[in-house]
Amino acid sequence: GNSVTQMEGPVTLSEEAFLTINCTYTATGYPSLFWYVQYPGEGLQLLLKATKADDKGSNKGFEATYRKETTSFHLEKGSVQVSDSAVYFCALKHSSNTGKLIFGQGTTLQVKP
Amino acid sequence: GAGVSQSPSNKVTEKGKDVELRCDPISGHTALYWYRQSLGQGLEFLIYFQGNSAPDKSGLPSDRFSAERTGGSVSTLTIQRTQQEDSAVYLCASSLDWRGNTGELFFGEGSRLTVL
Repeated sequence: GNSVTQMEGPVTLSEEAFLTINCTYTATGYPSLFWYVQYPGEGLQLLLKATKADDKGSNKGFEATYRKETTSFHLEKGSVQVSDSAVYFCALKHSSNTGKLIFGQGTTLQVKP
Repeated sequence: GAGVSQSPSNKVTEKGKDVELRCDPISGHTALYWYRQSLGQGLEFLIYFQGNSAPDKSGLPSDRFSAERTGGSVSTLTIQRTQQEDSAVYLCASSLDWRGNTGELFFGEGSRLTVL
């Protein structure tokens, strides 16, 4: 079946450090891939997405490239800030008729000043 | 309101009692989803509504769980005879329509359920 696997957290970084959060997926066909973020006390919100192979999604300094050959969608940011502290979820949407998303288990990021 | 609204935000109940969780989606959003977020787990899909019908109920964990949606708007998730393993945050999300759904689901802040 379709599934998403993320690196386990928590990930603790100092401000201005480089961030990578790994995400790999298993799916038939050609899913769309997403990163959602959950800031403390808030609901999940879409961070970025990519709908086909080799697409790069980007937002707020974060980037992720849809790599079909390695079935990966790793999240990166060149210089993290304290305000980036949150839980990050990788997700896929299969080309079905429901639009439901399948999420990974989430990775907690803590950025220290 | 402008966003997805869920109530109650916190619910503590005793094992064996029934609970109802409510979701008020963004106005005009025809697709509605329920997810469950347990400690240390990812988001587990429960059920999907398109309008008032539920074409995908595959994630409901047992027949103690049910959900309905009326008027193509508000949805209620009911858990009967609650068990301690039902303790989790229940999240509701909505989107315009599955056909136009580019993957952006709009989430509420969730209802935290604790079963003693």
